[in-house]
Amino acid sequence: GAGVSQSPSNKVTEKGKDVELRCDPISGHTALYWYRQSLGQGLEFLIYFQGNSAPDKSGLPSDRFSAERTGGSVSTLTIQRTQQEDSAVYLCASSLFAPGGGETQYFGPGTRLLVL
Amino acid sequence: GIQVEQSPPDLILQEGANSTLRCNFSDSVNNLQWFHQNPWGQLINLFYIPSGTKQNGRLSATTVATERYSLLYISSSQTTDSGVYFCAVRPPRGGSNYKLTFGKGTLLTVNP
Repeated sequence: GAGVSQSPSNKVTEKGKDVELRCDPISGHTALYWYRQSLGQGLEFLIYFQGNSAPDKSGLPSDRFSAERTGGSVSTLTIQRTQQEDSAVYLCASSLFAPGGGETQYFGPGTRLLVL
Repeated sequence: GIQVEQSPPDLILQEGANSTLRCNFSDSVNNLQWFHQNPWGQLINLFYIPSGTKQNGRLSATTVATERYSLLYISSSQTTDSGVYFCAVRPPRGGSNYKLTFGKGTLLTVNP
C-alpha cells in the first residue's frame, strides 16, 4: 500500500478486557516496529520485528502485552486484561532493512486506545 | 541509553515568522529523523538526516554529527505548521534493535 495502515483508529474498552490492534506495513518493508505514545511517557518503543528473526520484545511493559507478525507482513499487538494505564496511542512503523539501522521509519496513523 | 533533548519545549509564532528548533543527543547516531505530529496525531516524516543539510520547501534541517545536535528551520511559518515536532535518533551501537529514541518534542503554535 501507499503507507502504513492501522486498525482500528479508535478503541474504547472496559478494564479487564483483551484488545487486538492491527498494523499493515508498507509493502516490501521487512522491519516493523510498535511504539506507544502516552501523556506521561512520551513516545516509547515496544517491540521490533525483522524478517524471520526472533522479535525484540525488550520494550514491552508487562507480560500482558504480546505481538506477532504473520507471513512477514501484518502484525497484531494484543493487550490482555487491559488496565487504565494502557490508555495511549499505539503507533506502528515500518522500514526497509539496513544493517546498522540507518533507514527511514514510516509511521502509521495510530490506534487511540481508551480503557475505562 | 542515548538521551535526546529538544528545545524549546513550546514556541508561539505569528504567521510569516521564522523559527529554529534544536535537538541535542548524547551519543553518535546513524539515524536521525525529524517528524511533525499534526493535530490528528499522525507522525509525518520531515527529514532523514543523520548528518549534513537538507531542504524541502520552507523547511530545512542541519545535523552536525560531530557536535551531536540537529536544527530544524521553519521559514515563513503558516498556521498549518502548528503541531508537535519530534526528533528521533538511533546510535550505531544499538545492537540488532533498530528502535528510535524520541525527544519530548517542541509544541509549535502559529497564530494567524
